[in-house]
Amino acid sequence: GENVEQHPSTLSVQEGDSAVIKCTYSDSASNYFPWYKQELGKGPQLIIDIRSNVGEKKDQRIAVTLNKTAKHFSLHITETQPEDSAVYFCAASIGTGRRALTFGSGTRLQVQP
Amino acid sequence: DGGITQSPKYLFRKEGQNVTLSCEQNLNHDAMYWYRQDPGQGLRLIYYSQIVNDFQKGDIAEGYSVSREKKESFPLTVTSAQKNPTAFYLCASSIGTGTMNTEAFFGQGTRLTVV
Repeated sequence: GENVEQHPSTLSVQEGDSAVIKCTYSDSASNYFPWYKQELGKGPQLIIDIRSNVGEKKDQRIAVTLNKTAKHFSLHITETQPEDSAVYFCAASIGTGRRALTFGSGTRLQVQP
Repeated sequence: DGGITQSPKYLFRKEGQNVTLSCEQNLNHDAMYWYRQDPGQGLRLIYYSQIVNDFQKGDIAEGYSVSREKKESFPLTVTSAQKNPTAFYLCASSIGTGTMNTEAFFGQGTRLTVV
């Protein structure tokens, strides 16, 4: 089955700096790659997603890039703010068969004011 | 407001007891999921259901059971066979149709503690 690895496990940046979180996946059939943000004691919320027919997607300060050949994708947050502090999860899934997300182990992002 | 509701938020169980976690959605989604979250391990899939009256085991189904009698409800029972049930449980749903995966919406979770 699918295996998703996520790095780093913790990341501390200064306010205004950029943050990058990287994930790799194992199943070349995966075609959907969302990123979720989870605040303490709450359920994860989707912040951006990308499909395998696209190499990059941006939404204001957040961008995701996908390299299908290398089977890795990354989350980029620019101009970080204290409210960006949370745990971020990447995930992957395939379009047929088991249509459930496989998650990475998470990255705890701390933005220092 | 549309969304997913999990109840209760906190649950305490004595060893040897079964307990059922509730998950209800009013998004008219076909697919529903249960994940378990432990510190530092991300979310692991317990069970999922793509349609009413059908469900499939995920990666860590042992010691758990589910039912899907109604589209809007997907309760999870943690049985006494689950050796380490203390965890944060998350329910999710998605449209679940076609070949394209779509956004999964999560509930606020139930924290289960075995005492």
